[in-house]
Amino acid sequence: KAGVTQTPRYLIKTRGQQVTLSCSPISGHRSVSWYQQTPGQGLQFLFEYFSETQRNKGNFPGRFSGRQFSNSRSEMNVSTLELGDSALYLCASSLGRFTDTQYFGPGTRLTVL
Amino acid sequence: KNQVEQSPQSLIILEGKNCTLQCNYTVSPFSNLRWYKQDTGRGPVSLTIMTFSENTKSNGRYTATLDADTKQSSLHITASQLSDSASYICVVSALSNSNSGYALNFGKGTSLLVTP
Repeated sequence: KAGVTQTPRYLIKTRGQQVTLSCSPISGHRSVSWYQQTPGQGLQFLFEYFSETQRNKGNFPGRFSGRQFSNSRSEMNVSTLELGDSALYLCASSLGRFTDTQYFGPGTRLTVL
Repeated sequence: KNQVEQSPQSLIILEGKNCTLQCNYTVSPFSNLRWYKQDTGRGPVSLTIMTFSENTKSNGRYTATLDADTKQSSLHITASQLSDSASYICVVSALSNSNSGYALNFGKGTSLLVTP
């Protein structure tokens, strides 16, 4: 079974731009969660989608948004990029919600200049 | 103050030796506790998930323990290998009255280096 895939793997943007990241979960998984990871803050939870609905959201500004499609694929969007948004963005999928094992993708490394 | 504290921050051990990583939390009400291993440049990999009623859970050479009374967990690595060099992250889920059902709390991780 293919693992979680994320595209693109690397991205360079400038301040003020917007970016869309994509995540394809493991086949059959209905839950997709997004995380931001930085050296200073560590791993932080962005949001969780299950059956096309956002079920949980972390403490991030409204510039961070996401959605999930009927095939469980998910996208994350960051508008009006700031330097501090430079990070590794990780996507994880699981069969059900938070009691199930999560499988992470390799991440998208976003650099904001 | 972070509700999940991991120690030590970093650790260097010789190949073949055992080691124990600690995770103390103040999260309440507790739902579950997860240990992840993250190799440099890769996404985390789930090692164990423990609920309130579970005291010990093993995954190969990795054994996690949970003391819900003292709110402490440990991850014991037996007969370490060079491939165990990674960051180990503890994540504690708290039950929530909101529609979301839970809140996640992350430790900063322990960086382990296994040397020959």
